[in-house]
Amino acid sequence: AQSVSQHNHHVILSEAASLELGCNYSYGGTVNLFWYVQYPGQHLQLLLKYFSGDPLVKGIKGFEAEFIKSKFSFNLRKPSVQWSDTAEYFCAVNARGSSNTGKLIFGQGTTLQVKP
Amino acid sequence: DVKVTQSSRYLVKRTGEKVFLECVQDMDHENMFWYRQDPGLGLRLIYFSYDVKMKEKGDIPEGYSVSREKKERFSLILESASTNQTSMYLCASSPIRRSNQPQHFGDGTRLSIL
Repeated sequence: AQSVSQHNHHVILSEAASLELGCNYSYGGTVNLFWYVQYPGQHLQLLLKYFSGDPLVKGIKGFEAEFIKSKFSFNLRKPSVQWSDTAEYFCAVNARGSSNTGKLIFGQGTTLQVKP
Repeated sequence: DVKVTQSSRYLVKRTGEKVFLECVQDMDHENMFWYRQDPGLGLRLIYFSYDVKMKEKGDIPEGYSVSREKKERFSLILESASTNQTSMYLCASSPIRRSNQPQHFGDGTRLSIL
């Protein structure tokens, strides 16, 4: 069965610090990968996605993620965080190909707190 | 822009009540999903539907049922609410089964069962 693991449950950073949130998945086949963000009081929204091609993908608000197939990882990065990045971040995976029903498997989430 | 609307932001019900959570999307999406979100557990899929009157169980369907009579509307039903169903419930939609398109989420319903 597919699963997604996010290593950091709660991260506290000061503004301008660099961010890296880990995400590993387990699935033997080809996958689509997503990072979602949930700002306080708001709905989940897509940060970025990877389907194929360049394994380094750029998303909104200066975020990027790198797909490393050999490590089954899709870590999220941002060079310099802002107070407004305070939110909960979710990594998600779905299987590509005939088994793709559009279902997403989510990680446990990482709460990021940025101190001004 | 896709709009997924959940009928209530906050809901308080009593143990044993039958509870209906409603979700409507305005983009003619085939797929619709219900999740519950709990701290430290992320989002867990309860049920999903890829067509009218079609439904499939997710990872935690026990104690829940769903209804999809129209393409734009997907209802989650707690047959007899229990305190362990206190949670945040999220509805999502996406276009076309087997699509790579991301899911779009509603604002969520925070349900408390007393």
